[in-house]
Amino acid sequence: DTAVSQTPKYLVTQMGNDKSIKCEQNLGHDTMYWYKQDSKKFLKIMFSYNNKELIINETVPNRFSPKSPDKAHLNLHINSLELGDSAVYFCASSQELVRGETQYFGPGTRLLVL
Amino acid sequence: SQELEQSPQSLIVQEGKNLTINCTSSKTLYGLYWYKQKYGEGLIFLMMLQKGGEEKSHEKITAKLDEKKQQSSLHITASQPSHAGIYLCGADMQGAQKLVFGQGTRLTINP
Repeated sequence: DTAVSQTPKYLVTQMGNDKSIKCEQNLGHDTMYWYKQDSKKFLKIMFSYNNKELIINETVPNRFSPKSPDKAHLNLHINSLELGDSAVYFCASSQELVRGETQYFGPGTRLLVL
Repeated sequence: SQELEQSPQSLIVQEGKNLTINCTSSKTLYGLYWYKQKYGEGLIFLMMLQKGGEEKSHEKITAKLDEKKQQSSLHITASQPSHAGIYLCGADMQGAQKLVFGQGTRLTINP
């Protein structure tokens, strides 16, 4: 039983293309997140959504647009992909957006922009 | 500089040996989370510490949060190949409504 799932697992694309990554959680959580892990393994938050509303946007370029059609899904759409977007993108969820709530992570999507 | 500093950045130990990974912050931590990452997999939650002086154990892994709540250590006893991976500490920082992560510690276990 997968708690937080992401698709695709791997994504190889050309510069300038538009791509989407999907995330779904079956934990009944209210809050979902997108993180980016760069080549040096630094993991940094990009967005968080609580009950389908954007809560955190960490100065991410507006080429990145998250969409939450419902509480169980948080998709990430990226326009005009650049080489620097190559990274591993992790989706996560937690029960609430409060301190002390454990975040559960998906398996990651490895994006390579050529 | 990173808000959370992990040390060492990489660690190679002989199977059966004990090891410790540290996570240090300049700010008071409201919650400290330890995760493990294996290639091709997501972050696996290990444990969370909230109270100063708190210590938790799971199998052969023990994590502690110091009294000042600014440093945590992860200790593995009698390491096994299954312990290999990248260990990440994440924290609820003062004034932040998000998790901040350390840069990770890559652990290799030699047979």
